[in-house]
Amino acid sequence: DAKTTQPPSMDCAEGRAANLPCNHSTISGNEYVYWYRQIHSQGPQYIIHGLKNNETNEMASLIITEDRKSSTLILPHATLRDTAVYYCIAQSATRQLTFGSGTQLTVLP
Amino acid sequence: EAGVTQFPSHSVIEKGQTVTLRCDPISGHDNLYWYRRVMGKEIKFLLHFVKESKQDESGMPNNRFLAERTGGTYSTLKVQPAELEDSGVYFCASSQDLRLAGFYNEQFFGPGTRLTVL
Repeated sequence: DAKTTQPPSMDCAEGRAANLPCNHSTISGNEYVYWYRQIHSQGPQYIIHGLKNNETNEMASLIITEDRKSSTLILPHATLRDTAVYYCIAQSATRQLTFGSGTQLTVLP
Repeated sequence: EAGVTQFPSHSVIEKGQTVTLRCDPISGHDNLYWYRRVMGKEIKFLLHFVKESKQDESGMPNNRFLAERTGGTYSTLKVQPAELEDSGVYFCASSQDLRLAGFYNEQFFGPGTRLTVL
């Protein structure tokens, strides 16, 4: 699995967009970029994934650079309930998830 | 649709005792995973079942840990004998057949079992 690098923490004002960056410079062609989050003491929750193209769902948008070496998760209108640790994971579909230390996102009122 | 459930939510045992954790995956999910987060560390993979077969158990820390999934439905993870360093949160996750999921692996996690070994 490719190693990912994320900032340890970020703050975001409530109602504003939260942009969470992730570097995965060693990602290989068959590896997807997954984003999960863990809200305090709950199990991790899937957010979104992508391979090459940008993706959007009801929770977030995922922007992947053309060279696939980095990506950004965008929460368009952050709420207090989005405060969580966000994990960026790069791996092939058949593998287990390899969690790093993630980014602690704090949404401020 | 019910999500992944785990039992118990909390368990406090003494060193040397045995504990069995249970996981009920989402109905119809062939893939079942166990993960754990021990104190201050990252979430780590333990093993992966496809139906009743162990697909990958490379993350199991030692032979004190035994996982089973008889009949390919629920799974149990037994720790015998428990040691202090086994304390942490044990998560179970499930996912459907990759062919049905379009070959991406969205895993659905349970709430975890918090294990405390005294």
